[in-house]
Amino acid sequence: ILNVEQSPQSLHVQEGDSTNFTCSFPSSNFYALHWYRWETAKSPEALFVMTLNGDEKKKGRISATLNTKEGYSYLYIKGSQPEDSATYLCAFTNTNAGKSTFGDGTTLTVKP
Amino acid sequence: DGGITQSPKYLFRKEGQNVTLSCEQNLNHDAMYWYRQDPGQGLRLIYYSQIVNDFQKGDIAEGYSVSREKKESFPLTVTSAQKNPTAFYLCASSIVGQSTTYEQYFGPGTRLTVT
Repeated sequence: ILNVEQSPQSLHVQEGDSTNFTCSFPSSNFYALHWYRWETAKSPEALFVMTLNGDEKKKGRISATLNTKEGYSYLYIKGSQPEDSATYLCAFTNTNAGKSTFGDGTTLTVKP
Repeated sequence: DGGITQSPKYLFRKEGQNVTLSCEQNLNHDAMYWYRQDPGQGLRLIYYSQIVNDFQKGDIAEGYSVSREKKESFPLTVTSAQKNPTAFYLCASSIVGQSTTYEQYFGPGTRLTVT
């Protein structure tokens, strides 16, 4: 079983704070790294997919970076809003493909 | 609307009974997946299938069985051999192909309680 770790497990911030989470994964046989957002009472939805070392993706106030050589990805949220409250999951897909290993997630709570 | 449906949303069973969870997709995706989530944990892969009539075990397949007779459907049976069946079960699907990133689309989930 591949080891994908996310930290911190949970985070409580005030509205307007910026924050970041980490996902670490095996540095060998890399194929893709996904970030998903999972809001309460909804299904997980894809945020970003990154496939190349050094990739950076941005969607509004949320951005992500990827380092495949050292096996980590960061997710940044600038100026957190209450609607950003969710669990953020990362998923590592190796070259066997078709199968992803998920981290345990980081649960973000943004207080107004 | 294209998507993945899982039914029912909540399911209650007595210990020792087999139970089948439904998953249907109309996204025309080749691959389908079953995950289990327990409190405080992420998604753990039970089974996945990349093509009709073929499927592979995931990390926690013991006590579960699946079938893939149609592209649209990937039912999961939780057997009486599964020691801790109470959990939240998520079904997902993805495109399979040369340039795919295996981005997964998820259903709403089924919460199974076995007493």
